[in-house]
Amino acid sequence: GNSVTQMEGPVTLSEEAFLTINCTYTATGYPSLFWYVQYPGEGLQLLLKATKADDKGSNKGFEATYRKETTSFHLEKGSVQVSDSAVYFCALGNNYGQNFVFGPGTRLSVLP
Amino acid sequence: EAGVAQSPRYKIIEKRQSVAFWCNPISGHATLYWYQQILGQGPKLLIQFQNNGVVDDSQLPKDRFSAERLKGVDSTLKIQPAKLEDSAVYLCASSLTGTSGNYEQYFGPGTRLTVT
Repeated sequence: GNSVTQMEGPVTLSEEAFLTINCTYTATGYPSLFWYVQYPGEGLQLLLKATKADDKGSNKGFEATYRKETTSFHLEKGSVQVSDSAVYFCALGNNYGQNFVFGPGTRLSVLP
Repeated sequence: EAGVAQSPRYKIIEKRQSVAFWCNPISGHATLYWYQQILGQGPKLLIQFQNNGVVDDSQLPKDRFSAERLKGVDSTLKIQPAKLEDSAVYLCASSLTGTSGNYEQYFGPGTRLTVT
């Protein structure tokens, strides 16, 4: 079945550091890929998405590229801020809007 | 626009009791999802509705969990009887459509269930 693997956290960075959170997946066919974020005390919200190979999703300075050859969707940001402290979830779903699978989440703490 | 509403926000019950959670999706959203999120894990899809029909309930423990979405709007998730391992946050999400990959799920605040 489909599955998502994320790098284990917690990840602690200083403000303005470069961020990478690794995500790899196993899926049949060509799924859509997502990054969701959960800020402290808030609900899950979509950060970015990519629906086909080589697509790049971007939002709020975050980027992730759908790499079919390596089955990866790594999240990156060039300069993190304290306000980026949150839990980040990689997820996939098929293109019929079904079979959603979330990774275990990676907690990011950014220190001033 | 109003977001996904869930109630109650917190619930504490004893094992073998029953409990029900309610979800009101964003107006006009045809697809509704229930997830279970155990502490430290990612959300696990329990059931997905398209309007009032079930699209996927393959991970729903049907011996104790049930869900319905009457009239294709509000939904209720029930657990009867509850077990200790059901302690989790139950998340409801909705999306406009479930086709073509161009959907986005909007999540409610969740109901935190503690089974003692």
